[in-house]
Amino acid sequence: ETGVTQTPRHLVMGMTNKKSLKCEQHLGHNAMYWYKQSAKKPLELMFVYNFKEQTENNSVPSRFSPECPNSSHLFLHLHTLQPEDSALYLCASSQEVVALGVEQYFGPGTRLTVT
Amino acid sequence: GIQVEQSPPDLILQEGANSTLRCNFSDSVNNLQWFHQNPWGQLINLFYIPSGTKQNGRLSATTVATERYSLLYISSSQTTDSGVYFCAVESGYKLSFGAGTTVTVRA
Repeated sequence: ETGVTQTPRHLVMGMTNKKSLKCEQHLGHNAMYWYKQSAKKPLELMFVYNFKEQTENNSVPSRFSPECPNSSHLFLHLHTLQPEDSALYLCASSQEVVALGVEQYFGPGTRLTVT
Repeated sequence: GIQVEQSPPDLILQEGANSTLRCNFSDSVNNLQWFHQNPWGQLINLFYIPSGTKQNGRLSATTVATERYSLLYISSSQTTDSGVYFCAVESGYKLSFGAGTTVTVRA
């Protein structure tokens, strides 16, 4: 499999549930990202990992907990979510953190609905 | 932070028509990408174009970095071109996205 993959593609969860989103990249990249895309809003960067180390937390509530066990895998652990957290969650990767000459690639996203 | 503005917000085209999408940004950048988001949410890379002009089939893009804008041209549009087109620029080692242009191509 090539590129950036995400599972599950769709997720419905209650506010008291705990679930995890998974992202895997097969591009040999060292930087990985989580974005949130809500309806009618621009993409919002949530977290950045570079060489497995978190380099950016964009004021994300603690009910979202990222984990990067290695440069190929990125998880987003979810607990006690709110209905307003319903959105499309996109994972991306790039060779290094974004800079001159670095292109970012996205996975297909997980569409999350919190009931 | 850097501001990214895209215009127009919405565009309706008849199949076969040509169009131009614009992206303005508020500061100098080292990295600019255009993406197409299909109806299923997948963001597809169209161009990495911090400066100059590139062409890929019916799509082409031009970035004039000194004047802080980029243009995406769609020629002979097809229904499969429908979706949201995003411009994203590098700011502080991360990409900042515009709000997108929603393109609808009618048969």
